[in-house]
Amino acid sequence: AQSVTQPDIHITVSEGASLELRCNYSYGATPYLFWYVQSPGQGLQLLLKYFSGDTLVQGIKGFEAEFKRSQSSFNLRKPSVHWSDAAEYFCAVAYSGTYKYIFGTGTRLKVLA
Amino acid sequence: DTAVSQTPKYLVTQMGNDKSIKCEQNLGHDTMYWYKQDSKKFLKIMFSYNNKELIINETVPNRFSPKSPDKAHLNLHINSLELGDSAVYFCASSSRGDQPQHFGDGTRLSIL
Repeated sequence: AQSVTQPDIHITVSEGASLELRCNYSYGATPYLFWYVQSPGQGLQLLLKYFSGDTLVQGIKGFEAEFKRSQSSFNLRKPSVHWSDAAEYFCAVAYSGTYKYIFGTGTRLKVLA
Repeated sequence: DTAVSQTPKYLVTQMGNDKSIKCEQNLGHDTMYWYKQDSKKFLKIMFSYNNKELIINETVPNRFSPKSPDKAHLNLHINSLELGDSAVYFCASSSRGDQPQHFGDGTRLSIL
């Protein structure tokens, strides 16, 4: 069955440090890949998406992600984390032309001052 | 101007009651969804509609009945509420099933 794995349930980083959140997806011929962020008490907000083309995509709030087909991964990165980045982050995968949209289990990011 | 709005934001009620949650989107999207998020933040798809037609029904008890009167609205009615129904329910919409989803702010349902 198709799935999305976010291996880290919790991650803690210091403010100003770099961040990488991992995401792996199972088999999919042409995956569309997404990262969402959920701040406390709010719904999910799209950070960035990958459909095709350049495998390094830029998103909002200074985030970027790199698609690596050979590793079935789509990791999210930020060079310098701000305290306001503390939130829950979800990776998701969809398949072109279908209604199959799968969310990972999320990674909670804590930022130390 | 809110893109996806849900009402109410909070719902506190007793076991056995019936309640409804409403959702409206003004993005012109064809596809709408209901998700349930538990206390561990796990997001579970419940239903998906495309142009008022039910596309996905993910092993949800039949106490939950979605209704889409038109493309812009997707409501969720829950009969005979149980303790395990306590969660945050999110409505979302997208232009197509494989496109980014826009989420409402959620309805926090608490069963006493």
